[in-house]
Formats: sequence, structure tokens, C-alpha cells
Amino acid sequence: LAKTTQPISMDSYEGQEVNITCSHNNIATNDYITWYQQFPSQGPRFIIQGYKTKVTNEVASLFIPADRKSSTLSLPRVSLSDTAVYYCLVGEEIRDTGRRALTFGSGTRLQVQP
Amino acid sequence: DGGITQSPKYLFRKEGQNVTLSCEQNLNHDAMYWYRQDPGQGLRLIYYSQIVNDFQKGDIAEGYSVSREKKESFPLTVTSAQKNPTAFYLCASSMSSIANYGYTFGSGTRLTVV
Repeated sequence: LAKTTQPISMDSYEGQEVNITCSHNNIATNDYITWYQQFPSQGPRFIIQGYKTKVTNEVASLFIPADRKSSTLSLPRVSLSDTAVYYCLVGEEIRDTGRRALTFGSGTRLQVQP
Repeated sequence: DGGITQSPKYLFRKEGQNVTLSCEQNLNHDAMYWYRQDPGQGLRLIYYSQIVNDFQKGDIAEGYSVSREKKESFPLTVTSAQKNPTAFYLCASSMSSIANYGYTFGSGTRLTVV
């Protein structure tokens, strides 16, 4: 059972706002929601993290409803350089250890067109 | 600047050989991780270490081994028992193994079996 579900791909144009929604129905009480960005042949880069309501930083906003079963990453006025894969993550227990680590799904492949 | 250094960037292995991928961090992070990424896929957890001299198997540990003799270093050995080792390998670290702390990733090592 996947921990998170997000669209496989999205297309946008330069200057538009992009919203990527992720569902995490089984999120644990103590889990934060974290988003990463990955360019080809590079390691993922931390974008934003939140627990509830809204978080904003210099690159993105994260909207989390009260039930925390989903979250939306908002990228304002995207450019060509925002073309990347975006991962939504919550903590997941490592099998038989009781410890938790981040598990990456396949992510959302965002393609920004000129 | 603090960060994670992975080496080499590209590595070629012959059938039946063991190879070791290096990962060093100067962030003073306690936890370190190894992930494997196949083309078009997300990251899968191989091993992780919470503290020095401790490590735990992730979801796909078979055919891999690790050590954590120093806080700064977490090398990964891909053994001959790993039947399909060609992949992109990413090392990460975090302040704590509690999943809510953000991960910092290295730039990756691309391993190819020849």
C-alpha cells in the first residue's frame, strides 16, 4: 500500500502557477509532509516542509487541510528551470524495526513549456 | 561549505566483482542513508544508520553491505550477490533518524555493470 499518491506527470507554461496535490490518507500524527525536487542525475533537493495549514518560503507554498490527508505544493510563476520531478513524502516505518524513514514514490514529473 | 560528497560519480563493475561507493558528510548529522534509483522510478531505501556502529536494513538490502565506523562516513559495498546492480545510487544524511528532519542528498554515483 503506497504511503503517498500524486499525479505521474503535469504540464505547464512559463509564468503560470502550478499546484501539485498529494494524498496521504494514512499519515501518522507525528509526521510532517515534505516535498523534494529532483533534476536528472542529481540528488533530490529539499523544497518545503509543513505540518498543518500553510507554509511559505522563497520558492513555494504548501497547503495542508485540517484533516492532513492531502497536501498541495504550489509553485508560483514557474520557469523552464522548474522542469523536474517533485516528490511528496511522509515518514514510513522501516519493516520490523519500528524506526521511520522517508520513502520516495515515483513522484510527479513536471514539464514546463516556453 | 557543509554538504555530502559521493565518489566516484561514475563507476563500472565487472560481473562478480564487489565495488564500494563512498559517502562523506561534514554536516555533523547523526543519520545517514543509501537509496537506489532506477530509470524513471523513485528512490528505494537500501540501508540506513542512526548512529556510529549501528545500521539497519531498508527495503532492498540484499546484495549490499554497509559500515558506519565514523560519523562522517557511510560507505556502501555492492557485492556480487546483487544480481542487477546497474542503477543510480544516492546517499543522504539528516540531523536525526526521526523522519521529520529534512534530508540532504549527495550528487549520486551511477554504477554500471559491464
